[in-house]
Amino acid sequence: KAGVTQTPRYLIKTRGQQVTLSCSPISGHRSVSWYQQTPGQGLQFLFEYFSETQRNKGNFPGRFSGRQFSNSRSEMNVSTLELGDSALYLCASSNYGETNEQFFGPGTRLTVL
Amino acid sequence: AQSVTQLGSHVSVSEGALVLLRCNYSSSVPPYLFWYVQYPNQGLQLLLKYTTGATLVKGINGFEAEFKKSETSFHLTKPSAHMSDAAEYFCAVSGGSGGYQKVTFGTGTKLQVIP
Repeated sequence: KAGVTQTPRYLIKTRGQQVTLSCSPISGHRSVSWYQQTPGQGLQFLFEYFSETQRNKGNFPGRFSGRQFSNSRSEMNVSTLELGDSALYLCASSNYGETNEQFFGPGTRLTVL
Repeated sequence: AQSVTQLGSHVSVSEGALVLLRCNYSSSVPPYLFWYVQYPNQGLQLLLKYTTGATLVKGINGFEAEFKKSETSFHLTKPSAHMSDAAEYFCAVSGGSGGYQKVTFGTGTKLQVIP
């Protein structure tokens, strides 16, 4: 089975722009979660989608949004980028099951200039 | 609310020495527990997990962890550190009710292996 894929792997944007990141989960997985990882704040949960519905949301401003499509692929969008949004954005998928074990993609490295 | 505490954001060990990374959790329901490893500029990779049954869990790369309910701990160990073990390690807990399992990650511990 193919693993979780994220595109693009690297991205450079300037302040004020918006960005969309994409995540394709493992085949059969219906849950997708997004995380932001920075040196200062560590790994922080953004949101989780299950069957196209947002199931859980972390403590991030409304500039961060996401969605999930019927094929379980997910996108996250960040509008009005700030320098502090520079981070590694990780996507994880799960077949949910009993444990909700997370399977991670390689991440998208976003740099905001 | 569940939580995970990883003691020590940075741990240094000599090559060949014992690796011990500490994780304590709180959960109102019987938890599922995980350890993940992250190499630079990569995603997280599952090392091992505790679901039910045997409390000593063996994982990949010679790592193991023991679930101690009385101590609410799930410490990660490896008898002999290798240079390739240098990475960041995350402990996570999954628990919930009503059919929803929320996953909470610790803040991570960076392991340095000194030759």
